[in-house]
Amino acid sequence: AQSVTQLDSQVPVFEEAPVELRCNYSSSVSVYLFWYVQYPNQGLQLLLKYLSGSTLVKGINGFEAEFNKSQTSFHLRKPSVHISDTAENFCAVQYTGGYQKVTFGTGTKLQVIP
Amino acid sequence: KAGVTQTPRYLIKTRGQQVTLSCSPISGHRSVSWYQQTPGQGLQFLFEYFSETQRNKGNFPGRFSGRQFSNSRSEMNVSTLELGDSALYLCASGQAGDSYNEQFFGPGTRLTVL
Repeated sequence: AQSVTQLDSQVPVFEEAPVELRCNYSSSVSVYLFWYVQYPNQGLQLLLKYLSGSTLVKGINGFEAEFNKSQTSFHLRKPSVHISDTAENFCAVQYTGGYQKVTFGTGTKLQVIP
Repeated sequence: KAGVTQTPRYLIKTRGQQVTLSCSPISGHRSVSWYQQTPGQGLQFLFEYFSETQRNKGNFPGRFSGRQFSNSRSEMNVSTLELGDSALYLCASGQAGDSYNEQFFGPGTRLTVL
């Protein structure tokens, strides 16, 4: 069964500093990968997705993620965070090949400190 | 296009009662998934409906049930409410063909069980 591990439940970072949120998945087959963000009292929205092709994926709000097949990782990065980036972030994986369920990680709270 | 809508946004019930939550997907989306989100357990998958059929189910007791109508709108029902059912219930819709299944989330229904 597919699974997603987000190693850090919370990541505090000072404003304008860089940040990396880690995501690892268990799979020996092809996958689609997603990062979603949830702002307080809201639903989740898509930050970025990897489907195929270039391993560096750019998303909204200056976020990017790099797909590393050998390490089965899809870490999310931003070179300079803003207070408004404070949110819960979820990594998700879906096996390719016909219909497959999407599996979400447990989430990482990005806490930006002014 | 209008986004995913969920009604009601907030709900307060007492133990033993039952509740029905509603979700209207994005026009053209045939898949609707339900998730329960709590501070302790994170985002947990309840079930997914596609073309009025339950396609996937998470590990929740039979008190949690759902259905999907011919217009793709979905309802989720929880009977004999328990205190532990207090949570944010999120609905997500997707096109869910044989390719990647990007999830579009609604704002959620906040259920409080007293």
